Amino acid sequence: AQSVTQPDIHITVSEGASLELRCNYSYGATPYLFWYVQSPGQGLQLLLKYFSGDTLVQGIKGFEAEFKRSQSSFNLRKPSVHWSDAAEYFCAVGARAAGNKLTFGGGTRVLVKP
Amino acid sequence: SAVISQKPSRDICQRGTSLTIQCQVDSQVTMMFWYRQQPGQSLTLIATANQGSEATYESGFVIDKFPISRPNLTFSTLTVSNMSPEDSSIYLCSVQRQGANGYTFGSGTRLTVV
Repeated sequence: AQSVTQPDIHITVSEGASLELRCNYSYGATPYLFWYVQSPGQGLQLLLKYFSGDTLVQGIKGFEAEFKRSQSSFNLRKPSVHWSDAAEYFCAVGARAAGNKLTFGGGTRVLVKP
Repeated sequence: SAVISQKPSRDICQRGTSLTIQCQVDSQVTMMFWYRQQPGQSLTLIATANQGSEATYESGFVIDKFPISRPNLTFSTLTVSNMSPEDSSIYLCSVQRQGANGYTFGSGTRLTVV
């Protein structure tokens, strides 16, 4: 069965500082990988996704993520955080062999200090 | 990407009653999924809604509690039956179109059971 781990439950970062959110997955084959953001009281918004090809993926809002097969990781990064980036971030994994259903990590709540 | 209309957006229900949540998509989709997000938690897959056949439920979820219909390729309903306060959650519909690299989520239904 596929699984996703986000080791950091909370991260506090100063506005303008860089941000990295960790995501580790467990799955036999190469999965599809996603990062979603959920602002308070809002729905899920897709930041970026990896299916194949270039392992460095660019997303919206200045985010990027790098797929590292050897480490089973898909960490999310942003070079300079804005106050509006305060939200909950979810990493998710899916696979055709698993019926295309997504498994979500536990989420990381990002707080941005002025 | 597909546009999802999920209704109702929120509801407050008495324990012991049932609530049916609707998910309408603006185009035909291959896969439809229902998720639950308990307060402060991540998303957990309830079931995959299959067109023309019974839904496929994940471990811990049963049809008697969460009956699902999917009469066509653009519409599905999830019913939360015989509700208790533990069912208070956000319920989300998600779709994937055939050949599309990604999943779209509805805005969710925030359910409070009193």
